Amino acid sequence: SQTIHQWPATLVQPVGSPLSLECTVEGTSNPNLYWYRQAAGRGLQLLFYSVGIGQISSEVPQNLSASRPQDRQFILSSKKLLLSDSGFYLCAGSTGWQETQYFGPGTRLLVL
Amino acid sequence: SQQGEEDPQALSIQEGENATMNCSYKTSINNLQWYRQNSGRGLVHLILIRSNEREKHSGRLRVTLDTSKKSSSLLITASRAADTASYFCATGAGNQFYFGTGTSLTVIP
Repeated sequence: SQTIHQWPATLVQPVGSPLSLECTVEGTSNPNLYWYRQAAGRGLQLLFYSVGIGQISSEVPQNLSASRPQDRQFILSSKKLLLSDSGFYLCAGSTGWQETQYFGPGTRLLVL
Repeated sequence: SQQGEEDPQALSIQEGENATMNCSYKTSINNLQWYRQNSGRGLVHLILIRSNEREKHSGRLRVTLDTSKKSSSLLITASRAADTASYFCATGAGNQFYFGTGTSLTVIP
């Protein structure tokens, strides 16, 4: 199985500030990697996925971007945060699209 | 959208009782997975059932899949207070993977 590391656990940022959330993977090579956002009491919304280094697909138009500079590193970024970017961000990895997804502990982002 | 929807949205039971939650989806799938999320934490995979399977067991968990009705159920037997969490189904087909909106389960000691 894979282990997904995310940090930080909690982040409070002012509107207009930049964002960088990092996710790293242990236990597998060339995983599919995913960034999800979860609003309070709601389901998961897939934001980005990556099937390899430098390969990023976006599921929804938004203020965020993602990058995969290394096989086991996935970064979620923003140049200027909006209030609506607040939420719980989860990174996940899998060995393929139809396989089990392993999740990190999540980052709770509050934009004030 | 292929996104699954769980039913009920919330469920409250006494410890020792069984808990059943359902998932419905809209299009053909390769497999269906159930995940659990404790409050404020990441999701944990519980069980995967493939489209050619009808039932699967894992410990106190029993999952059924009816592809003709495009539905699945998760049964937790002899519930414990530690089972309190949100439960999500997730459906996959091709290069798509969608999570449902979740069922919030509360097990009262």
